[in-house]
Amino acid sequence: EVQLVESGGGLVQPGGSLRLSCEASGFIFSTYAMNWVRRAPGKGLEWVSGISESGDSTYYEDSVKGRFTISRDNSKTRLFLQMNSLRAEDTAVYYCAKDNGRGVFDYWGQGTLVTVSS
Amino acid sequence: EIVLTQSPATLSLSPGERATLSCRASQSVSNYLAWYQQKPGQAPRLLIYDASKRPTGIPARFSGSGSGTDFTLTISSLEPEDFAVYYCQQRSDWPPFTFGQGTKLEIK
Repeated sequence: EVQLVESGGGLVQPGGSLRLSCEASGFIFSTYAMNWVRRAPGKGLEWVSGISESGDSTYYEDSVKGRFTISRDNSKTRLFLQMNSLRAEDTAVYYCAKDNGRGVFDYWGQGTLVTVSS
Repeated sequence: EIVLTQSPATLSLSPGERATLSCRASQSVSNYLAWYQQKPGQAPRLLIYDASKRPTGIPARFSGSGSGTDFTLTISSLEPEDFAVYYCQQRSDWPPFTFGQGTKLEIK
């Protein structure tokens, strides 16, 4: 059974940093691309970042470029999102999502809440 | 960036009725369109991919159609557990992958 469990969310002040983690199990982690998707309060889903199977290629939504860094540790089956220079508009539930290899997100975690507020 | 526009924003129906949700793309996405369901406090769930394909385990009452810029998600006979928010998503031109703003399916 595929399981994705996010952690690392919390309350942070504007300009602060957080590191999200997603622990994966139930599939061969190193053979699938992975993504982070967020849902802000009262808003819809927004893709944030993606990473290739090996980690060699990374992709970002424009508003997070230069502030967020996606990475992965295939030996530990973990996905990460380092978030710096956080803004109020980054407040959201962040989900990690397994990519079936073609930009289709076939499994999702339950999410971790990030609140950026003073 | 491809913009996806979903309609209606809210759809009020009763169990047993047929639901028709629409998603229109700002440019052709071929058939590279997926649909997701999200219930409050839960993770999104993949319902349909490549416009009309159902993953294993998704009930047959969910079906998708369309190509190019116009797509439809149909729920043939609503069950109580189907009341949720539905999103479409394109993978034709990325990054970024983009989602529609969602359609809330509520009980009438």
